[in-house]
Amino acid sequence: RKEVEQDPGPFNVPEGATVAFNCTYSNSASQSFFWYRQDCRKEPKLLMSVYSSGNEDGRFTAQLNRASQYISLLIRDSKLSDSATYLCVPRGNKLVFGAGTILRVKS
Amino acid sequence: DTAVSQTPKYLVTQMGNDKSIKCEQNLGHDTMYWYKQDSKKFLKIMFSYNNKELIINETVPNRFSPKSPDKAHLNLHINSLELGDSAVYFCASSRRPNSGNTIYFGEGSWLTVV
Repeated sequence: RKEVEQDPGPFNVPEGATVAFNCTYSNSASQSFFWYRQDCRKEPKLLMSVYSSGNEDGRFTAQLNRASQYISLLIRDSKLSDSATYLCVPRGNKLVFGAGTILRVKS
Repeated sequence: DTAVSQTPKYLVTQMGNDKSIKCEQNLGHDTMYWYKQDSKKFLKIMFSYNNKELIINETVPNRFSPKSPDKAHLNLHINSLELGDSAVYFCASSRRPNSGNTIYFGEGSWLTVV
């Protein structure tokens, strides 16, 4: 089993929609994670950190479900500028990235 | 100011050539990395250095040789380039090598081997 697995998508949603996607992980010892976003032909950039208590930053909410070993990212009121690939990363020395989930927000 | 900068941004070269990609960070971080992102978009770590010392060396052909002259620089030299080396190579840095630190990426170097 891969350390991190994500639905590659793409998730195609209209502006203003709420969208959520998950990331499953195999290492039950993982206690916190990062969500990165990567725009087309750009470098990944940190979106938010996710701890056991979850995290919320504006329209973005991340949750960690340790029992089922997945983390989720919820985006409310989607904007065109949210179109990107979202990568989940368990914290660790190697920072193993998932392949990412593609989000396309359309007008 | 660019925090993590790498050069060149684009590189097209023939099979069998030797090439280098340079990376510098001005964040004062102790740890630097090289990642490879292939055509399927998987981002995989290749190497990590902490204060000029190699701490992570993934299963990478020995044609790839990183060099860190100081903790602000981590260069990647590739010998005898092969078609399969075509990818985007990202340099990155973090304050410390362990798990709690955000990684900051450079803009990437697009390598095409023909």
